[in-house]
Amino acid sequence: LAKTTQPISMDSYEGQEVNITCSHNNIATNDYITWYQQFPSQGPRFIIQGYKTKVTNEVASLFIPADRKSSTLSLPRVSLSDTAVYYCLVGGNNAGNMLTFGGGTRLMVKP
Amino acid sequence: DSGVTQTPKHLITATGQRVTLRCSPRSGDLSVYWYQQSLDQGLQFLIQYYNGEERAKGNILERFSAQQFPDLHSELNLSSLELGDSALYFCASSVGSGGAGEQFFGPGTRLTVL
Repeated sequence: LAKTTQPISMDSYEGQEVNITCSHNNIATNDYITWYQQFPSQGPRFIIQGYKTKVTNEVASLFIPADRKSSTLSLPRVSLSDTAVYYCLVGGNNAGNMLTFGGGTRLMVKP
Repeated sequence: DSGVTQTPKHLITATGQRVTLRCSPRSGDLSVYWYQQSLDQGLQFLIQYYNGEERAKGNILERFSAQQFPDLHSELNLSSLELGDSALYFCASSVGSGGAGEQFFGPGTRLTVL
């Protein structure tokens, strides 16, 4: 069972790049890593997903080293609206696979 | 708006009672997931259904049960409620059967047990 660990909080300023790391030492071979964003009083919203190396979409990049024991979500040039809680999720696609969320990282973007 | 609906939005009940939370997935999505979010436990995966069948089970208590109906909506039943069951309960849906795929979350049901 993958145990996922994230920093509790981070501060940044508008326009900076933010990197949030998730540790998942016991990740299984068929597990993927997915990141979600959550605003107060809302459900989480998908940001990006990967299995290994680097994945990039229009809002973020995800870096996964070869041993896959950690992953880093990179948000380029954050704005005030990026203030939210960010969660990593580790889990597989097979029947019976557990899905494990990290504790969440509260990102505060300051002007 | 994710397209996932959950009812009710708020629920206040007493210890020992039983409640039912309802979820309608996005049109076309076959998988439904249930999660519990509390201050001390964070986001916890409870259970997944795919096209009416249970596919994966997480940290779901024996007092809790769920099912997915032929029209693909799902219900989460919580019984013998305790104070510690007070939490936000989210439902999510996805197209495929894999839990690692993109999930679309509903707005949640806030349960308060007094």
